Amino acid sequence: DQQVKQNSPSLSVQEGRISILNCDYTNSMFDYFLWYKKYPAEGPTFLISISSIKDKNEDGRFTVFLNKSAKHLSLHIVPSQPGDSAVYFCAADPPPGKLIFGQGTTLQVKP
Amino acid sequence: DVKVTQSSRYLVKRTGEKVFLECVQDMDHENMFWYRQDPGLGLRLIYFSYDVKMKEKGDIPEGYSVSREKKERFSLILESASTNQTSMYLCASWGFSYGYTFGSGTRLTVV
Repeated sequence: DQQVKQNSPSLSVQEGRISILNCDYTNSMFDYFLWYKKYPAEGPTFLISISSIKDKNEDGRFTVFLNKSAKHLSLHIVPSQPGDSAVYFCAADPPPGKLIFGQGTTLQVKP
Repeated sequence: DVKVTQSSRYLVKRTGEKVFLECVQDMDHENMFWYRQDPGLGLRLIYFSYDVKMKEKGDIPEGYSVSREKKERFSLILESASTNQTSMYLCASWGFSYGYTFGSGTRLTVV
């Protein structure tokens, strides 16, 4: 049973436009979420996180939004760049501390 | 530069072989994890360990075992490799100072 879901396997956007990656979760007890970026043949690298005490966290071109009532979070990348092309994973980090990942969304940013 | 090092980037093994995947971290982290990544399934937790000699099953432990004899080293063992264990294997560690850090992954092919 998938507790963290990314229902869009892929997303293609034009360079300079906004990329929006979505993630849903089922357990209302989850209170901390992370986004990871992964290139082929490399390990995931941390991108941005959000705690349930906030509904938005921003870091440069990356913003994560959390809607607790809908159990939904999204990652916005503005403006998108070709170097952003990668697989993006959202993850919940419930106690006692083991990440639960979604299936991933492959983002392609076209020049 | 903090690191999680996986000993092999690519491995090809035969069905029935015993396979060892090694992971070493230099951050003095207590918590270490083994995940496998498969298309459409994301990262799934195989085993984790919160301390030396300690191990806990993750979501998909069948066909795997682990060893944690020293704090810095966490080994994943495929007792008798099968073709459905062909996958990308990712090791991670966690600590307060650096959060989750992933290795570069081992791409295992079982033929």
